[in-house]
Amino acid sequence: DAGVIQSPRHEVTEMGQEVTLRCKPISGHDYLFWYRQTMMRGLELLIYFNNNVPIDDSGMPEDRFSAKMPNASFSTLKIQPSEPRDSAVYFCASSLRDPTRASPLHFGNGTRLTVT
Amino acid sequence: GQQVMQIPQYQHVQEGEDFTTYCNSSTTLSNIQWYKQRPGGHPVFLIQLVKSGEVKKQKRLTFQFGEAKKNSSLHITATQTTDVGTYFCALKLTFGKGITLSVRP
Repeated sequence: DAGVIQSPRHEVTEMGQEVTLRCKPISGHDYLFWYRQTMMRGLELLIYFNNNVPIDDSGMPEDRFSAKMPNASFSTLKIQPSEPRDSAVYFCASSLRDPTRASPLHFGNGTRLTVT
Repeated sequence: GQQVMQIPQYQHVQEGEDFTTYCNSSTTLSNIQWYKQRPGGHPVFLIQLVKSGEVKKQKRLTFQFGEAKKNSSLHITATQTTDVGTYFCALKLTFGKGITLSVRP
């Protein structure tokens, strides 16, 4: 099993540029999550999908952030325009069943974003 | 929503020493999950506890759910350098701040 695949692993961009992060969940997993990790705030849930439909986006910090899941095997997280405070590690995760009912999350390797 | 607290955030031990950390909540938890993140890595699921007083073991790691289901503990017997990392407890989709363990060889 390939696990959750994220790209790119590292992204360095200048303030104001658009950034797109990509994720391929584990095949057969119905739930997909985007998390952001920083030293100050820890792991924060940004948004999650069930069967490609956004269920909870209350963690998305601002309108500059958007996420899509056009099909069961692909999702994107876009930041436009990016700001230095967006610098963080962004993780994508997937789960087989409803995680609010205790199904474990499987994380990708993350994308380390640096905005200068 | 419900939150889980992990204090302290850092702990340093000598290799071979035992280590215990706690995850606390002010409200009753339906279940609790534990994850481990190695330096530079991603969180990896370790265990899930559901029943009051439940105890589960994974080699040198022992996980326990409190009788009142308001706290959970992780105990590592005879720590090794391979135990280095950050241990998170999680309730549903919310993660605690984690405790970062360092082990002196």
